[in-house]
Amino acid sequence: QKEVEQDPGPLSVPEGAIVSLNCTYSNSAFQYFMWYRQYSRKGPELLMYTYSSGNKEDGRFTAQVDKSSKYISLFIRDSQPSDSATYLCAMRISGYSTLTFGKGTMLLVSP
Amino acid sequence: NAGVTQTPKFQVLKTGQSMTLQCAQDMNHNSMYWYRQDPGMGLRLIYYSASEGTTDKGEVPNGYNVSRLNKREFSLRLESAAPSQTSVYFCASSDGTGTGVQPQHFGDGTRLSIL
Repeated sequence: QKEVEQDPGPLSVPEGAIVSLNCTYSNSAFQYFMWYRQYSRKGPELLMYTYSSGNKEDGRFTAQVDKSSKYISLFIRDSQPSDSATYLCAMRISGYSTLTFGKGTMLLVSP
Repeated sequence: NAGVTQTPKFQVLKTGQSMTLQCAQDMNHNSMYWYRQDPGMGLRLIYYSASEGTTDKGEVPNGYNVSRLNKREFSLRLESAAPSQTSVYFCASSDGTGTGVQPQHFGDGTRLSIL
């Protein structure tokens, strides 16, 4: 079992839909959780981050962590064609510099 | 705001040739990383440098060497390139191991083809 599991998609939605992207993980020591967005032929860029459990909202994006279920989510409201990208979750254990990444979910938002 | 700069952006090599990929960051970060990204495999860590003067192997180090030249620069060397090393290579940097989220910041990659 991989430490972080993420459905590769592609996930296709119409413009304006609410999108839910998810990752599950097996290591309860993860404390810091991040979401990256990667456009085609570009490097991953940090989208949102959270510490431990709870929700964090930033505009149309909401990141949610449920440590009891070892499950994290990224919600995108009012999705736009410009949101079409691959979304990668990443996690870190305190005291370690390395991140553990999911393989990424490709999202396609059609006009 | 350069962030993380990788050179070159594209390269084609023949099997057996050697090459060094360059990476520089201007964020005064302590830690730097090299990843490769292949279809269906996600990002895989090759080597990292938690702080200036240290380097450690990641998940897929075979066939690669690294040098942390100074705090800003971290290079990746392929001594004898093989077709299996055809990939997109990303360099990243972060503050390090302390408390706080300390996310990694990525360059835009080097697309390497080995024939």
